[in-house]
Amino acid sequence: AQSVAQPEDQVNVAEGNPLTVKCTYSVSGNPYLFWYVQYPNRGLQFLLKYITGDNLVKGSYGFEAEFNKSQTSFHLKKPSALVSDSALYFCAVRALNTGGFKTIFGAGTRLFVKA
Amino acid sequence: DTEVTQTPKHLVMGMTNKKSLKCEQHMGHRAMYWYKQKAKKPPELMFVYSYEKLSINESVPSRFSPECPNSSLLNLHLHALQPEDSALYLCASSQEPGSPGNEQFFGPGTRLTVL
Repeated sequence: AQSVAQPEDQVNVAEGNPLTVKCTYSVSGNPYLFWYVQYPNRGLQFLLKYITGDNLVKGSYGFEAEFNKSQTSFHLKKPSALVSDSALYFCAVRALNTGGFKTIFGAGTRLFVKA
Repeated sequence: DTEVTQTPKHLVMGMTNKKSLKCEQHMGHRAMYWYKQKAKKPPELMFVYSYEKLSINESVPSRFSPECPNSSLLNLHLHALQPEDSALYLCASSQEPGSPGNEQFFGPGTRLTVL
């Protein structure tokens, strides 16, 4: 079965410090991995994805993620956090289902960046 | 235009009402999705349309009825809903239904309250 785990409900960092939001996955076959961010009362916004190639993926707003096949992880990182990065972050994997591909989301991690 | 729009933003309805949610995209995407999201939870997939045909129904109760009149529009017809159906309903689209590496573009959602 395909699944995504985000082990932390909440991550707290100080503005200017590096941040990491953790994600591990379980898939059969090649993983197609995504990070989305959700601000209050808004839809999800795509940040970045890993399909193949370089293990370090760069995305929007200065975020990047490192794909680690041996640890089945896809952690989201940013070198210097901003207060405006405070939001709900979802890791996701695309999984083949009958009739097409569905997205399986992790439970989400709430990021608080303190000024 | 890289936007998915949803109307209305908010909807309050009684359990005997009939209402519809509307979603529109003009990015030429051929896959469209309905999700239900409860507070602080990940989105739950409801339906997937692929080339205007229903390809995935995640065992959604028949009081929810999707419709895809053309490649740009997606509707969700609501009838005889229950209070537990109150949630944020998100529409999304992606470029090619058969490509798992395509990210999804989400609308801002409709906040539904069932009284």
